Amino acid sequence: DGGITQSPKYLFRKEGQNVTLSCEQNLNHDAMYWYRQDPGQGLRLIYYSQIVNDFQKGDIAEGYSVSREKKESFPLTVTSAQKNPTAFYLCASSIWGDGYTFGSGTRLTVV
Amino acid sequence: KQEVTQIPAALSVPEGENLVLNCSFTDSAIYNLQWFRQDPGKGLTSLLLIQSSQREQTSGRLNASLDKSSGRSTLYIAASQPGDSATYLCAVRPLDYGGATNKLIFGTGTLLAVQP
Repeated sequence: DGGITQSPKYLFRKEGQNVTLSCEQNLNHDAMYWYRQDPGQGLRLIYYSQIVNDFQKGDIAEGYSVSREKKESFPLTVTSAQKNPTAFYLCASSIWGDGYTFGSGTRLTVV
Repeated sequence: KQEVTQIPAALSVPEGENLVLNCSFTDSAIYNLQWFRQDPGKGLTSLLLIQSSQREQTSGRLNASLDKSSGRSTLYIAASQPGDSATYLCAVRPLDYGGATNKLIFGTGTLLAVQP
């Protein structure tokens, strides 16, 4: 079955530590996205990528970094510069201009 | 700046009732609109996608309508069931210079509880 796989489901980060969230899709979609979800707020775009080796900042990119070396993969690194990283992170993909397909999410907590 | 609003924020209905969830957006220049369902602690499941040229889409007990000129969409759920309990999110994909932009703008959702 085609879909998006996010791992891990839960992640704990210590202060000052970088962590990487994985996102893999087998839908052959060109575009991939990372969103952050906080309680009481809508989803906010962190980064997106339309093609391999290219990506663009979204609305809240500070403290995050991404790479797109393969069409299927779009990992997100939460760096120590992100001051409030505790949130639910959602990865999505789409054929450009079409509807989005989302993964099951990673819940990141700072300990 | 495009803003998406969903009212009510929460809704509780008895099983079997038909219901309507509302979504409004401030800028009619949209490429499409998508309705999602989110269960607690889970990702988003796409329910219906309406392109800007369409007026409605149907899937099973779900029907979504789109009125671009008034900036409104509704999600109609027929014969509600306890398994329909979830948060329902609406998202618009804005147009920019005549083409689809690169992101969805989400509302904050409606939390639906269907009581058995």
